[in-house]
Amino acid sequence: ETGVTQTPRHLVMGMTNKKSLKCEQHLGHNAMYWYKQSAKKPLELMFVYSLEERVENNSVPSRFSPECPNSSHLFLHLHTLQPEDSALYLCASSQAVRDTQYFGPGTRLTVL
Amino acid sequence: KQEVTQIPAALSVPEGENLVLNCSFTDSAIYNLQWFRQDPGKGLTSLLLIQSSQREQTSGRLNASLDKSSGRSTLYIAASQPGDSATYLCAVGFNKFYFGSGTKLNVKP
Repeated sequence: ETGVTQTPRHLVMGMTNKKSLKCEQHLGHNAMYWYKQSAKKPLELMFVYSLEERVENNSVPSRFSPECPNSSHLFLHLHTLQPEDSALYLCASSQAVRDTQYFGPGTRLTVL
Repeated sequence: KQEVTQIPAALSVPEGENLVLNCSFTDSAIYNLQWFRQDPGKGLTSLLLIQSSQREQTSGRLNASLDKSSGRSTLYIAASQPGDSATYLCAVGFNKFYFGSGTKLNVKP
């Protein structure tokens, strides 16, 4: 595997479910990001981790909970989501916070 | 707060044409600017990154310029091809990255 991978690629969940999105980077980078891309809206930064510490939490609701166990893995834990949370969730990584970002293919999330 | 605008929102051109995509931002205190392309339903692919101290970057048929004082960047695509069809996004590095809404490009054979 090379670059940034995300699993699952598609996820459908009910409002009462708990699920997790996984991101893995094989680039030796120190920073990782979660973004949300909704239809007809600009990409929104959700969370930034640098050297496994959260350095940015962009006013994201608590029903989204990130976890970064090491510099190669990033999770987004989801619980009691709303239909408006349906979107493409993108993970990215960079060598350092201000460097070129490399994106994964995204997880298409649908909340029923 | 930084605001990033991309014009036009959509563009359709015949194959072979040279074209310019525009990106403007409201606060010039940026540390870099990055251009991406996004194919439908997929992640973003980095095209070019310009540091705040640079004026332009080139990669193949792509040339990106940066004018911090006026808050503008342009992405020039030479001799466009159908494979260039995608949405092009610019992202401004400020205290964090701010993205524009993108320009959807269609290059017709």
